[in-house]
This record gives sequence, structure tokens and C-alpha cells, in this order.
Amino acid sequence: GDSVTQMEGPVTLSEEAFLTINCTYTATGYPSLFWYVQYPGEGLQLLLKATKADDKGSNKGFEATYRKETTSFHLEKGSVQVSDSAVYFCALSSLQGAQKLVFGQGTRLTINP
Amino acid sequence: GAGVSQSPSNKVTEKGKDVELRCDPISGHTALYWYRQSLGQGLEFLIYFQGNSAPDKSGLPSDRFSAERTGGSVSTLTIQRTQQEDSAVYLCASSPSGRATGELFFGEGSRLTVL
Repeated sequence: GDSVTQMEGPVTLSEEAFLTINCTYTATGYPSLFWYVQYPGEGLQLLLKATKADDKGSNKGFEATYRKETTSFHLEKGSVQVSDSAVYFCALSSLQGAQKLVFGQGTRLTINP
Repeated sequence: GAGVSQSPSNKVTEKGKDVELRCDPISGHTALYWYRQSLGQGLEFLIYFQGNSAPDKSGLPSDRFSAERTGGSVSTLTIQRTQQEDSAVYLCASSPSGRATGELFFGEGSRLTVL
């Protein structure tokens, strides 16, 4: 079945550091890919998405490129801030059966000032 | 209150008791999803509703779990004879349609602790 594998956390960085959180997937067909973020005390919210190969999703300084050849959707940000501390989830839209999102296990990111 | 609303936010129960978790989706959203988030685990899909029907129940872990949706709106997830392994955060999400190429809007979850 469809699955998502994320870089294991937790990840701790200093402010202004470069961030990469790896995500790879296994799926039939060509799913859409997503990054969701869960800030402390809040519900999950969509950060960015890409719906086809080579698309780049971007939001709030974060970027991720849909790489079909490597089945990856790595999340990057050039200069992180303390306010980026959160749990990040990579997800794909399953094309098997009814439409639903399949999530990775999440990566907890902590940014120190 | 434009967002997805879940209640209770916290529930502590004894093993063997039944619990009901409620989800009030965003008005007009036809699709509704239940997920479970266990400690150290990702989000585990439980069930998906399109309107009042559930085309995909494949994630329900056992027959102790059931869910219904009425009026194309509020949904209730029921866990009978709770076990300690049912302890988790239960998340509800809704979307304007059933196409998962779109965005899901999540509630803040119901944290269930089974003693």
C-alpha cells in the first residue's frame, strides 16, 4: 500500500540555520504531495503542496519539490526562526480506494535562539 | 467558530468503558475524516465520510470502533470496551469535497487516556 517515510526526529537547530527534513514515498500512480505543520497547542494545518512531478510548493519561506525519479518531497528552509518550532508531517494523497491522505510519522523541530 | 470543532478535548476513562468523541466540521464541507495519533507515531487513518456514507472504513482497528455521521455534518466516533492501547489523540478533519488533492482542515483533537 501507499506509504510515507520521514526523517526521524527530533531535530534541533539554531536560529538562521538551514533546514532540510527528508521525505520519501511509495505510491501507485502519481499522488499529490503535502507538508502539514502542527504548532504547539494547535491543529494540523497545510504548509505547502505539489500536485505533479517537478512542481515546487512554497509558503512562509519553506519549499519542497516533487521529485518523481527519487520519489521524494524534501522540506527546506534557508534560515529558520524560533517560531518555526513545530511538528512537520509529510503526506500523500492515496489514489487507492476512497481519497484520503497518508501521513508520515512526523518530525519534531526545535529552533533555539 | 469557522474551524473544525472537536469535543471533548480531553477524556480520561477506565478500561472497559465506552467513549464517544464528537466532530463538528466546517459548514458546507462534504468530506470528513477521522485519524488517530499515538505517541511517537504518525497519523493513522481510521475512516472517511462523504456526506453521511462511509466509503472507506479500512482503518478502523477493530469492531470495537464505529463512527457515524448525520445530516452531512456532525460525526461521532465511538469506542466500546476501551483498552489501554486505545490511548491516543483522535483527530477529525474536513474538506470541501472528497478529493484528497485538496486541503484537509483539522480540529485540535480529542486526547483519550484509558487507565
